[in-house]
Amino acid sequence: EPEVTQTPSHQVTQMGQEVILRCVPISNHLYFYWYRQILGQKVEFLVSFYNNEISEKSEIFDDQFSVERPDGSNFTLKIRSTKLEDSAMYFCASRKDRGLNYGYTFGSGTRLTVV
Amino acid sequence: QQQVKQSPQSLIVQKGGISIINCAYENTAFDYFPWYQQFPGKGPALLIAIRPDVSEKKEGRFTISFNKSAKQFSLHIMDSQPGDSATYFCAARGEDNAGNMLTFGGGTRLMVKP
Repeated sequence: EPEVTQTPSHQVTQMGQEVILRCVPISNHLYFYWYRQILGQKVEFLVSFYNNEISEKSEIFDDQFSVERPDGSNFTLKIRSTKLEDSAMYFCASRKDRGLNYGYTFGSGTRLTVV
Repeated sequence: QQQVKQSPQSLIVQKGGISIINCAYENTAFDYFPWYQQFPGKGPALLIAIRPDVSEKKEGRFTISFNKSAKQFSLHIMDSQPGDSATYFCAARGEDNAGNMLTFGGGTRLMVKP
């Protein structure tokens, strides 16, 4: 079964440093998402991406965050200057198309620890 | 308006029992209601999903009951097994948002005792 692949599985970074989280969505999927989950809390939407542009973003997704699909296969989330409160699991998800018949497939996540 | 409220936060059930998790929503534009199962260190995995035009959907031991007028839906796990021990999230999605994203409930940590 096709998978969404995320790397690295765990990243530790110093506060103020830039991090890039990488995702390889399922190859024929058109919609891409980043979600985050602070330890023990619910999964929160960050951003959705379609046709090489952001289609929607949440309040969490401020100017410190950016997304990119640099080469047609990878989908990255960049945090420019990490803060302690950015420590969380970050999940990438992809979806083949809109419509009720198309589900979301999540990756296994990247655990980001900001120290 | 975008919130999905989930209860209980945690649940302990004996093996063979029925686990019931409830969710409520406000946004009447929601048109897709999935349940996700998450094991520690893993991403959410789709368990079962329902559309608002049906009141119940069953897949194996898992059943979603949907009450459109009350804006509530629930997950029933019949014959619960220790391997079902995980965190369960309800979610909802509406076609009214351009990003088509999921809004998750707060999660229920289920423990099934042998």
